[in-house]
Order: sequence, then C-alpha cells, then structure tokens
Amino acid sequence: GDSVTQMEGPVTLSEEAFLTINCTYTATGYPSLFWYVQYPGEGLQLLLKATKADDKGSNKGFEATYRKETTSFHLEKGSVQVSDSAVYFCALSSGGSNYKLTFGKGTLLTVNP
Amino acid sequence: SAVISQKPSRDICQRGTSLTIQCQVDSQVTMMFWYRQQPGQSLTLIATANQGSEATYESGFVIDKFPISRPNLTFSTLTVSNMSPEDSSIYLCSVEGGGTGRTGELFFGEGSRLTVL
Repeated sequence: GDSVTQMEGPVTLSEEAFLTINCTYTATGYPSLFWYVQYPGEGLQLLLKATKADDKGSNKGFEATYRKETTSFHLEKGSVQVSDSAVYFCALSSGGSNYKLTFGKGTLLTVNP
Repeated sequence: SAVISQKPSRDICQRGTSLTIQCQVDSQVTMMFWYRQQPGQSLTLIATANQGSEATYESGFVIDKFPISRPNLTFSTLTVSNMSPEDSSIYLCSVEGGGTGRTGELFFGEGSRLTVL
C-alpha cells in the first residue's frame, strides 16, 4: 500500500538558515504530493502541492519538487524565520475517486532568533 | 477554500463515556473525512462520510466504536464511544478541496483534542 517516509525530527535551526526536510514515498500509479503545516495551536494547512512528475510546488518561500525517479518530495526553504516554527507533514493521494491522504509522521521545526 | 468549524475544540472525558464531535462546513461538500492524530503520531483516516449513505471505515476502525452521522451536505458528527485512555487524540474533520481537477487536496478543521482519564 501507499506509504510516506519523512525525516525524523525535531529539527532546530537558527533564523536565516537553510531548511531541508526529506520525504520519500511508495505508491501505486501517479500520486499527488503535498506538504501540510501545523502551526502551534492551529489546524493543518496546505503549504504546497505537486500533481505530476517534475512539478515544483511553492508557497511562502518553501519549495518542493516532485521527483518520480527518486520517489521524493523534499521540502526546502532558503532562509527560515521564527514564524516558520511548526510541524510539517508530507502526504500523498493516489487520486482518482479516492481522497484518502497518506501522511508521514511529521517533522517538528523550531527556529530560534 | 472551505472554512471548517469543529466542536468541542478540546475536552477531558472519563473512561467508559462517549463524546460526539461536530463538524460544520461553510459550503456544501460531497465527501467529509474524519482523521485521528494520536500523540506524537501522524494522521490516520478513520472514515469517509458521504451524505445519504453509511460511512466507509478504514481498516482498524469500526462503526460501533466510531459512529458517524452525515445528515446534510454541510454537517457531520463523529462519536467516540466507550472511551479509554488509548482514545486520547486529536480528531480532525476534513473536506475535499475545490478547484479544477481532483488532486486529492483536503482542507482541515482545527481539530478536537480529547483527553481520556
């Protein structure tokens, strides 16, 4: 079945540091890939998505590229801010009529000033 | 995007009791989904609720433990029955995203944090 393997946390960075959170997946067919973010005390929000190979999703300075050859969707940001402190979840959907999302375990990011 | 409201936002419950969580959406949606997020764990789909039909449960979840209602296109409830401390989790309601194409994007409510003593 579908699965998502996400970089173990927690990750602690200083402000303006470069961020990478690794995500690899196993799925049948051609899934859509997502990064969700959960800020402290809030619900999950979609951060970015990519629906086909080589697509790059981007939002709020974050980027992730759908790499079919390596089955990866790593999240990157060139310069993190304190306000980026949150839990980040990688997820996939096999699409079609199935809206079931398979999530990774989440990575807690803490950015210190 | 959809605005999803959940009640209660948090509760502390006694072992053996049941609690019903409500989910209200500001627009009509065909499918609503209930997820569970156990402490330190990822999200797991409990069931999919379509209006006018019985909910479809994922492996490991049963209707007797997690009965779901879906009376109309904007509302659903999830009941956690005969609770035990292992049921302490955040329960999240979600709905399908809009836009063209069915890319699997979901919108989530803020969750209901249940603690069972």
